[in-house]
This record gives sequence, C-alpha cells and structure tokens, in this order.
Amino acid sequence: DQQVKQNSPSLSVQEGRISILNCDYTNSMFDYFLWYKKYPAEGPTFLISISSIKDKNEDGRFTVFLNKSAKHLSLHIVPSQPGDSAVYFCAASAGGPQGAQKLVFGQGTRLTINP
Amino acid sequence: NAGVMQNPRHLVRRRGQEARLRCSPMKGHSHVYWYRQLPEEGLKFMVYLQKENIIDESGMPKERFSAEFPKEGPSILRIQQVVRGDSAAYFCASSPSHRAGGAFFGQGTRLTVV
Repeated sequence: DQQVKQNSPSLSVQEGRISILNCDYTNSMFDYFLWYKKYPAEGPTFLISISSIKDKNEDGRFTVFLNKSAKHLSLHIVPSQPGDSAVYFCAASAGGPQGAQKLVFGQGTRLTINP
Repeated sequence: NAGVMQNPRHLVRRRGQEARLRCSPMKGHSHVYWYRQLPEEGLKFMVYLQKENIIDESGMPKERFSAEFPKEGPSILRIQQVVRGDSAAYFCASSPSHRAGGAFFGQGTRLTVV
C-alpha cells in the first residue's frame, strides 16, 4: 500500500533549465508535505514544505505546488545546477499532535543535471 | 549547533547477534523518529519517541526490534538476533516540540548482516 508515489525513478535535465519532480498521494488525511534531497551515504536534507491550506510555497530556486483535488504535488527547481544532482524524496504526514513529523515517503526520483 | 548524530556509521553483525544503533537529536529537539531504508526503496517509518516515552511504534516489526529514548543520553534502536533481511540504512530524525519545517535527519547507520 504505497500511499506516496513518485512514478519517475529518474530524471535528467540540462543545467540552467527547469527541473520538475512529481509526487502523488492517496491518503486524504495528509495535510503537510515535504521534499527532501539525499546524496549517497548521507541522510535526507529538508528542502521545502507546504501545508494543505496553501497551493504554493517558494524558497529561492525551489517552489512546491500542491493540487489537493488531484492529490498531486510537484517540486520545481529553476535554474537547475549541477549540485542539484541527488535523489529527491517526497514525504507527507497527517496532522494532529501525534502526527508531528511521522512521515510517509515516496520511493524517490534520481535527478541528474547535465552540464 | 551540531546536527543529528548517529553512530556507528557502519555496523557489521553476524546472523544471531545484536545490533545497537545510537542517535543524539539536535539540541533543543525532544522528538526522535527512526526510519529504515531498504535498498532501492524510500524511507519507512519505524518508531516515534519523546523523552522516556514511545509515542508511536506502528512501523516497528513485532519481534526482535525495540527502541528507547531515556531521560539522559541518546535514543537507542536495538535489533536482537539479526537476520540478513535486517541489512539496511537506519536513519534517525529529530524535531522540536512543534511542527516547524521539516525533521532533521542524521547521516544514518548502515547495518550489514553477514
């Protein structure tokens, strides 16, 4: 039962262009969504998050869009840089004081930025 | 301000031995989470602890696995009588008492059972 899905295992983008990573979820109780970036042999690094009361959140080169009706979110990186090459994980949590940061992760998308 | 510290980074155990993984949360963080990542998969939630309390252990296998977060000292994930299927990367994350941004992850412990 994969509640959070990243259907693209890999993505290759030219440096300077926009990278778009997609994520779908099935659990309508999720109310908080996060993107993490992970390099090999390291832990995930938090990138950006969005609450379900919003449809967009922007932080520098990173923007996350949330479409609640479609249960879909996406991460846009523009312009893409070689250092962005990593595995990106989408994660979601259901709220309430017990929910906190108990996260359900997607399988990850490996992003490669080509010079 | 040190981040989440996990040790050891790599751990090799023979089948049947015990594995003890340690996690020191970030300063000021009272919530600790353990996740497991099997090869080619995403991270899977195991357990959520606050000081001296297990809040949610719904992701923990029913047998051989236990976790604690004592009043003093690091959080410990213990795996007894390890089997080859326990080989994975185990990540610890911590967060403050309220939801503020994302949880911060340690670098993980890679457990290999031979």
